[in-house]
Amino acid sequence: QVQLVQSGAEVKKPGASVKVSCKASGYTFTSYGISWVRQAPGQGLEWMGWISAYNGNTNYAQKLQGRVTMTTDTSTSTAYMELRSLRSDDTAVYYCARTAKRYNDAFDIWGQGTMVTVSS
Amino acid sequence: DIQMTQSPSSLSASVGDRVTITCRASQSISSYLNWYQQKPGKAPKLLIYAASSLQSGVPSRFSGSGSGTDFTLTISSLQPEDFATYYCQQSYSTLPWAFGQGTKLEIK
Repeated sequence: QVQLVQSGAEVKKPGASVKVSCKASGYTFTSYGISWVRQAPGQGLEWMGWISAYNGNTNYAQKLQGRVTMTTDTSTSTAYMELRSLRSDDTAVYYCARTAKRYNDAFDIWGQGTMVTVSS
Repeated sequence: DIQMTQSPSSLSASVGDRVTITCRASQSISSYLNWYQQKPGKAPKLLIYAASSLQSGVPSRFSGSGSGTDFTLTISSLQPEDFATYYCQQSYSTLPWAFGQGTKLEIK
């Protein structure tokens, strides 16, 4: 079945970096994009950015520009999100989501989420 | 940036009630409006895309309408499993693809 499986929870110190993976299966990886969304504890959803799995084009939320990098490995159908210079307010659940042109770029399949905790 | 504003922020209702949640965009987004349901500890689930198209597998009691700047999500007859938080999101060409702040639907 179509699914996105993310890497496990991470605990990082302020100033460190984290790299979350998102492995796709059950569909042609390069026919869709991948968006990343995060949710701080008790808060709403925040769109972080998008990457085309076809050509690697990216668009990032302005507030994260310079700290975030999204990449894909088409040989393993895996997307990655790296966030650098971590701060305590980066503590959140991070989700990857398939982004489908045929659904007007709605996010139709979601990963299970990866908890990233930033604490000294 | 396009801002998305949902109302109400929270709502209490009973099983069988008809419920409407509204979402307003700060500028026209045509029909590039999506609705998601999120239950505690779970990833969001796509309910409605392109303002009014029901995602496969979603019960027909869910419906969406609107275009331009004003949109609604309606649940025709609330079921126990519908108590959750609902988010609208714009996917118009203008990034970022922002979400509304969410509407928490609780049991009365």
